[in-house]
Amino acid sequence: SYELTQPLSVSVALGQTARITCGANNIGNKNVHWYQQKPGQAPVLVICRDSNRPSGIPERFSGSNSGNTATLTISRAQAGDDADYYCQVWDSNTVVFGGGTKLTVL
Amino acid sequence: QVQLVESGGGVVQPGGSLRLSCAASGFNPRSYGLHWVRQAPGKGLEWVAFLNYDGSNKYYADSVKGRFTISRDNSKKMLYLQMNSLRAEDTAVYYCVRGYTYSCFDHWGQGTLVTVSS
Repeated sequence: SYELTQPLSVSVALGQTARITCGANNIGNKNVHWYQQKPGQAPVLVICRDSNRPSGIPERFSGSNSGNTATLTISRAQAGDDADYYCQVWDSNTVVFGGGTKLTVL
Repeated sequence: QVQLVESGGGVVQPGGSLRLSCAASGFNPRSYGLHWVRQAPGKGLEWVAFLNYDGSNKYYADSVKGRFTISRDNSKKMLYLQMNSLRAEDTAVYYCVRGYTYSCFDHWGQGTLVTVSS
C-alpha cells in the first residue's frame, strides 16, 4: 500500500518560514492535498492539488510537489498557525493520509 | 453556507452495530462525492469510505471492508455509515467530508464520537 511520510514535528520562529514535507515514492505524479487541524476542531483544507489555495486561506500558505517529496510552506509564521498538518493523496481507489506533523510556532 | 452535521455516535459493545448519519446543507449533494474519515483519540486521520455523487462507486479502507457500509439518500441530503462487528480499534471521532472523486476534501463536519467498549 502507498505510504506518506511526514516529520512528527517542525518548529519555526514567529515570523519565519516553516516547511513541512510529505514523502513517498513518485509522489510528484500525484495530486497532494494539505489540511490544518487545531486541537478540538475538524481539519481545514489549506492546499488542494499541490499548490491551490481555497478561498479564505492566506497567501502565506503555499505548496509544491516534485519527485518523491511534496512540501507545504508557511511564510511569516503566526501563532495561529500552531497546529497539526496532514498531507493526503488518492492511490487507486483509496485515500491515504500522512501521519501528521505538529507545527510549533516559537 | 456548506454544512455537514454528523449524528448517531455513542457507546457500543464490541461486536455491536451503529449507524452514523450526516445531514448536508448549503449545496447540492448530487454534485459531490462524500467520505467518512475517522480519528482515534490522540491519533492521526484515517480515511474510512467514499461514495461518489450518484452512489455508483463505493470505496472502503481495508480496515473496515466487509464490516462497514456507506450509503446516501440525495433526496434527503443524507449520508450514512452502517458499522457492524465493531471493534475497540474502531473507537474514534467520525467525520463526514465533502470531496470530488480523486480530489481534495473541501468541507468537513464537526464529527461524532464512537466508543467501542464493554
